[in-house]
Amino acid sequence: DIQMTQSPSSLSASVGDRVTITCRASQGISDYLAWYQQKPGKVPKLLIYAASTLQSGVPSRFSGSGSETDFTLTISSLQPEDVATYYCQKYSSAPWTFGQGTKVEIK
Amino acid sequence: EVQLVESGGGLVQPGGSLRLSCAASGFTFSSYSMNWVRQAPGKGLEWISYISTSSNTIYYADSVKGRFTISRDNAKNSLYLQMNSLRAEDTAVYYCARASILYSWGQGTLVTVSS
Repeated sequence: DIQMTQSPSSLSASVGDRVTITCRASQGISDYLAWYQQKPGKVPKLLIYAASTLQSGVPSRFSGSGSETDFTLTISSLQPEDVATYYCQKYSSAPWTFGQGTKVEIK
Repeated sequence: EVQLVESGGGLVQPGGSLRLSCAASGFTFSSYSMNWVRQAPGKGLEWISYISTSSNTIYYADSVKGRFTISRDNAKNSLYLQMNSLRAEDTAVYYCARASILYSWGQGTLVTVSS
């Protein structure tokens, strides 16, 4: 099975900072990669799919890039409401594996 | 508005069974594959099962294979998860989610496996 590895596992940044989270697949998955945001105590929410397509209603400060094995989620200017855990997920084939998550906090 | 509402969670003893349901509305249920995803307390997300639109294709995570059964009733706009031989490590919030990209999620239902 393909493994998904996110880094870092947590980060602390200031409001307005540019934040980057990486997700690495153990084998190529083309662009079958999604990113989800889960705020504390809330249901996960789709942010990005097809590696770089922003889901409707998601602020433009979020962006995704990458293909095959290396992917990135970027928050261009961190806002207080972005405090959450972020997960990548591959959907190229079963199993639909998630990364272990990256917890983002405000410094 | 897309709505997914899970039900059927609760406290069950190890070795016991539960059947989860997910009622869908606001979209053409029969046109979308569906998934179950779970999250143990304080842990990350774990995909556990997928079912195609016509139930022809079904997948399970190794952690639940042989114990859990996914099914759907397109006439009732409902998704199900039959969980047998439950273990303590199955304790989690169980979410149903729409399509492989998991566009929409329910609010989740808590399953606690404990004696």
